[in-house]
Amino acid sequence: DAGVTQSPTHLIKTRGQQVTLRCSPKSGHDTVSWYQQALGQGPQFIFQYYEEEERQRGNFPDRFSGHQYPNYSSELNVNALLLGDSALYLCASRPWEQGKGTDTQYFGPGTRLTVL
Amino acid sequence: KQEVTQIPAALSVPEGENLVLNCSFTDSAIYNLQWFRQDPGKGLTSLLLIQSSQREQTSGRLNASLDKSSGRSTLYIAASQPGDSATYLCAVSDRGSTLGRLYFGRGTQLTVWP
Repeated sequence: DAGVTQSPTHLIKTRGQQVTLRCSPKSGHDTVSWYQQALGQGPQFIFQYYEEEERQRGNFPDRFSGHQYPNYSSELNVNALLLGDSALYLCASRPWEQGKGTDTQYFGPGTRLTVL
Repeated sequence: KQEVTQIPAALSVPEGENLVLNCSFTDSAIYNLQWFRQDPGKGLTSLLLIQSSQREQTSGRLNASLDKSSGRSTLYIAASQPGDSATYLCAVSDRGSTLGRLYFGRGTQLTVWP
């Protein structure tokens, strides 16, 4: 079982550019969430996808958008990058159905985004 | 809005000590609480998950307790080792939601020296 995978590992962009980050969930998981973790902070929830729809969104501007594919993999897109978007972006997956030992969220290794 | 606080922010101890990390949350209506470990620049590894109906969970040298009414959880690490050095994050999931959104604290950065 490969677990949650993310690509790329690191990315350097300049202000105003656009970026796409990718995530493949753990086998058997159909729900994907994205989190932003600034240096020295806890992760902040961006949004969650299930059945190819955005189900819940945190306090992030519309510059942050996403997509989920039929194979449950997901993308996070950020437009018009700002210096403050520099962070570790984490993807987490879990089964949609709660209970029966399925509540644990599994995180990927993250993508480190640096905006210059 | 749910807010999670972790104390202390940093902890440095010699090998072999027993440790207590604290987590508090403002809204006691949670579905579950999860403790994670994060190594520098890496993703999160789940250590323990406590359902809202449970009081504690144990895994090896780790024991986590939950007092939902007072909005507190404690992670106890027995006989600490240098390999335990990492940041420990506490996260709660809202009650009544099937969507599994997590609210995180800022973490406790632990250093265990030989």
